[in-house]
Amino acid sequence: GQNIDQPTEMTATEGAIVQINCTYQTSGFNGLFWYQQHAGEAPTFLSYNVLDGLEEKGRFSSFLSRSKGYSYLLLKELQMKDSASYLCAVGGGYNKLIFGAGTRLAVHP
Amino acid sequence: GAVVSQHPSWVICKSGTSVKIECRSLDFQATTMFWYRQFPKQSLMLMATSNEGSKATYEQGVEKDKFLINHASLTLSTLTVTSAHPEDSSFYICSAKAAGGADTEAFFGQGTRLTVV
Repeated sequence: GQNIDQPTEMTATEGAIVQINCTYQTSGFNGLFWYQQHAGEAPTFLSYNVLDGLEEKGRFSSFLSRSKGYSYLLLKELQMKDSASYLCAVGGGYNKLIFGAGTRLAVHP
Repeated sequence: GAVVSQHPSWVICKSGTSVKIECRSLDFQATTMFWYRQFPKQSLMLMATSNEGSKATYEQGVEKDKFLINHASLTLSTLTVTSAHPEDSSFYICSAKAAGGADTEAFFGQGTRLTVV
């Protein structure tokens, strides 16, 4: 079966660092994706990990441990505009993306 | 990044009518397109995968006769919600991937908000 878990909601303060965790159990694995989605809009791509380790891209970093079925998205120097939902997605067979339920992040001043 | 255009952005229709949603890849050829549905405060649920020139593959629990998918060219896929009912009201989003393997990024359309009254 397919199971992707991430926290439902998180809050953080402007300028701080926040880590959003994602655990997965899927029948296939072709990498792990993180997307950002603002309310009423389409998701936008943030990162892709297929090998273990940390990928850094500006204020955002993503980590993957395939043996543990675990990933996290790290957001540094939080800004108000980072308030959004963050979707963890696993690349499955046939190029599918299976999404987790998403984590709604609220950044406060 | 590549552009995927989805049309219309929103539509209101009467119960029992059909609605067609278009998804176009504007600057690349999309060998595979995906259709998702998203209810408020929930994540994207994959409805079906469509490959150009072949029948769509539907996820479990999605009625293929109700949600008709056509992927007649490498740049266009359509989703038709037939005999729509209020419970079909949702945010429908398409995504497209170019040829090149599993690690290629999927680009999303801007979504279509369907309201059935």
